[in-house]
Amino acid sequence: DAGVIQSPRHEVTEMGQEVTLRCKPISGHDYLFWYRQTMMRGLELLIYFNNNVPIDDSGMPEDRFSAKMPNASFSTLKIQPSEPRDSAVYFCASSSLQGAGYTFGSGTRLTVV
Amino acid sequence: GENVEQHPSTLSVQEGDSAVIKCTYSDSASNYFPWYKQELGKRPQLIIDIRSNVGEKKDQRIAVTLNKTAKHFSLHITETQPEDSAVYFCAARLGAQKLVFGQGTRLTINP
Repeated sequence: DAGVIQSPRHEVTEMGQEVTLRCKPISGHDYLFWYRQTMMRGLELLIYFNNNVPIDDSGMPEDRFSAKMPNASFSTLKIQPSEPRDSAVYFCASSSLQGAGYTFGSGTRLTVV
Repeated sequence: GENVEQHPSTLSVQEGDSAVIKCTYSDSASNYFPWYKQELGKRPQLIIDIRSNVGEKKDQRIAVTLNKTAKHFSLHITETQPEDSAVYFCAARLGAQKLVFGQGTRLTINP
């Protein structure tokens, strides 16, 4: 098992540009989570899916953020337009109801200049 | 919703000594409490967890205790080593799968 796979590992973009982050969960995991990590706010849950359906998006900071999960093996987090305050590390994680805890991906370090 | 408070935010101990990190949670319905270790530039990784029907769990040098009445749980690391230096996060799960994380503790082991 390759674990949770995120891409890209690093992204540098200019303010106003669209950014798309990608995640492939562990096969068989039916929950997928998007977290944002910053020094000031720690690990914040943005949104999570169960069986590809968004369950709780109350952590999505504003309408510039959107997330999709078109199938069990792929999810995207999109920011349009991006702003400097979106700079953070974005983690995707997956889990199963029977399992223990989450498995995190390696994260995407986003820098908006 | 659930709220998790973690203390201290930074902790420095001498190699070989013990380290204790404490967390409190707000919702008595929370039923699962994992601890994650995050090394610099890496992903958080699960190191130990405890469910609400258990009071203590141990795995080699690390242990977790849970006091449901007081709604707090703690991580104990004994015989600390330099490789224990990292940021540690506690979390609490309410309902199906959603974890709420504490703010993290930066642990430094001094040689």
